Amino acid sequence: GAVVSQHPSWVICKSGTSVKIECRSLDFQATTMFWYRQFPKQSLMLMATSNEGSKATYEQGVEKDKFLINHASLTLSTLTVTSAHPEDSSFYICSASGAGGWGETQYFGPGTRLLVL
Amino acid sequence: SQQGEEDPQALSIQEGENATMNCSYKTSINNLQWYRQNSGRGLVHLILIRSNEREKHSGRLRVTLDTSKKSSSLLITASRAADTASYFCATAPVPHNTDKLIFGTGTRLQVFP
Repeated sequence: GAVVSQHPSWVICKSGTSVKIECRSLDFQATTMFWYRQFPKQSLMLMATSNEGSKATYEQGVEKDKFLINHASLTLSTLTVTSAHPEDSSFYICSASGAGGWGETQYFGPGTRLLVL
Repeated sequence: SQQGEEDPQALSIQEGENATMNCSYKTSINNLQWYRQNSGRGLVHLILIRSNEREKHSGRLRVTLDTSKKSSSLLITASRAADTASYFCATAPVPHNTDKLIFGTGTRLQVFP
């Protein structure tokens, strides 16, 4: 099956620093990658959709300058949380889709737990 | 919010019993998918049912879809302790020129041995 990895799996940082999270599709080319945020015992909230070689599409209420997304290749997308603050602490999950169809299956990474002190 | 709703929010059963989770959504869809999430982990795709399908099976899973009621159900038969997880439905809405999914609120299933 399709495998998606995320790195790091967890990170603790000081307030004001920036944190970069990588999402890689290991055995397929991901035309689209998605970034989600999940609070404890809650559902996934889509933050943005990124397509290789183009600008990410952010969901309403998500700050583009705060959450920088780069999708430089068909196997790698990165999310950078800039000037992180304690309220940015959350579980961040990426997913990848390679089918090219509408709303097809997404393959999820294992998630990155971010704690901002 | 476009987010779908699932019920129950939490479900506790004994091993061997069946577990049924329901999902309601708000917009017309291309397909509906069910995912499973173990605590603190990513999501695993379970099954996809298209808008022109009414029922689908995969192993111990049975999914139904009623587009007239904008609802779906996931049935897990003969549950096992290893089925303990959160289960989310996700819809691919139309007419959106996008392949994003809208996730439901989730059902937390606890299966006791």
